[in-house]
This record gives sequence, C-alpha cells and structure tokens, in this order.
Amino acid sequence: DAGVIQSPRHEVTEMGQEVTLRCKPISGHNSLFWYRQTMMRGLELLIYFNNNVPIDDSGMPEDRFSAKMPNASFSTLKIQPSEPRDSAVYFCASSLSTVDGYTFGSGTRLTVV
Amino acid sequence: RKEVEQDPGPFNVPEGATVAFNCTYSNSASQSFFWYRQDCRKEPKLLMSVYSSGNEDGRFTAQLNRASQYISLLIRDSKLSDSATYLCALYSSASKIIFGSGTRLSIRP
Repeated sequence: DAGVIQSPRHEVTEMGQEVTLRCKPISGHNSLFWYRQTMMRGLELLIYFNNNVPIDDSGMPEDRFSAKMPNASFSTLKIQPSEPRDSAVYFCASSLSTVDGYTFGSGTRLTVV
Repeated sequence: RKEVEQDPGPFNVPEGATVAFNCTYSNSASQSFFWYRQDCRKEPKLLMSVYSSGNEDGRFTAQLNRASQYISLLIRDSKLSDSATYLCALYSSASKIIFGSGTRLSIRP
C-alpha cells in the first residue's frame, strides 16, 4: 500500500500565481480531506469529500480556494490567485471509516513570496 | 472557545520518566477520540484511538473522561524517540475529525 500520495512536496510561487496541489488517496478509501497547518492556527480542515462528493467546505478560507475530486483516486486543491498568507503545509488525508481515524499524506509545503 | 484545546508545552522530561498530558473538548456529543503523533516536518500519524474504557498500547495509555470532557495520554519509561508533537483529535459531527494544536514533548538524555 503506497499510502496517501501528495504532490508536489514543496512549492514556491510568487504572489498572484495559481497553485494546484494534488492528492491520490489510499485505494478503497471513500473519504478524502484537505487540511492546512500553520504554526499560528494549527491543523485546519478546509474541505472533505465522501464518495467524490464535497460534503463540507466551510473551512475553505476564501473564494480563491477551490477543490475537486473528479474520481475516487484523485483530488486537487487550487489557490488562485495565491497570497503570502496562504503559505502553509497542506495535507491530504483519506479514510475508509472516519471513526477509525485518517491516514495523512506527506504534505505539500507551500511558500508564496 | 475552541472545540479541542491542548497545552502547547513544551514538556521537557528526562529519558525514562513518565509524562502525561490532557486535552479538553467542548462538544459533549463527540463520539470518537484519537491521539496522533507528528514528528518535525512530517505528517501526523495515528498513535491510538481512545476508547471509553481506556486503552493501553505498550508504554502508552489513553483515557477518556466524559464527565469532565477530556482525554489524556500517558507515556511511561519515555524514550528519546518519543520526542514529537502529540495531537489530540475527536470525531465531531458531520463525519469530520477536529484536531487540537498539539503538545510538544522533548525527551532529554
């Protein structure tokens, strides 16, 4: 089992540019979650999908953020336009049963300059 | 009030010591609880689930106190490799897990 795979591992971009983060969940897991982690705010849930359908996007900070899950094996988180305050580590996680906890990917460290 | 609160630490203890930290939660309807471990610049990894009756895994013991709305993690005979940030988490409503900000633990030789 390859685990949850995220790409890229690191991203440095200039303010105003579009950023796309990618995630491949564990095969068979039907829930996928996008989190953002910063020193100030900790681990924040941005959005999650169940069976490829967005269930709760109340954590998405602004309209600049969008997420899609076109199929069970792929999801993207897009920021357009990016701003320096978006700099954080973005984690994707998946689960088969939420009551059993999540498996996280290695994260994407985003720096917007 | 935050849904999950933890003492950020750091807890700095000598190797071999016993250390414990708590995590309080505000939603009395929460059903499932977890402890995650996160190493520096790594992803969180599930350490253990917390059951109503409490559970133990080797040197680690997790307890749930519903009346006072907190969970605890006890580490006995601490090792240098236990140094990490420990995140408590709970399964809230609408199928999502909410995380605390984490407690930093540093074990010194």
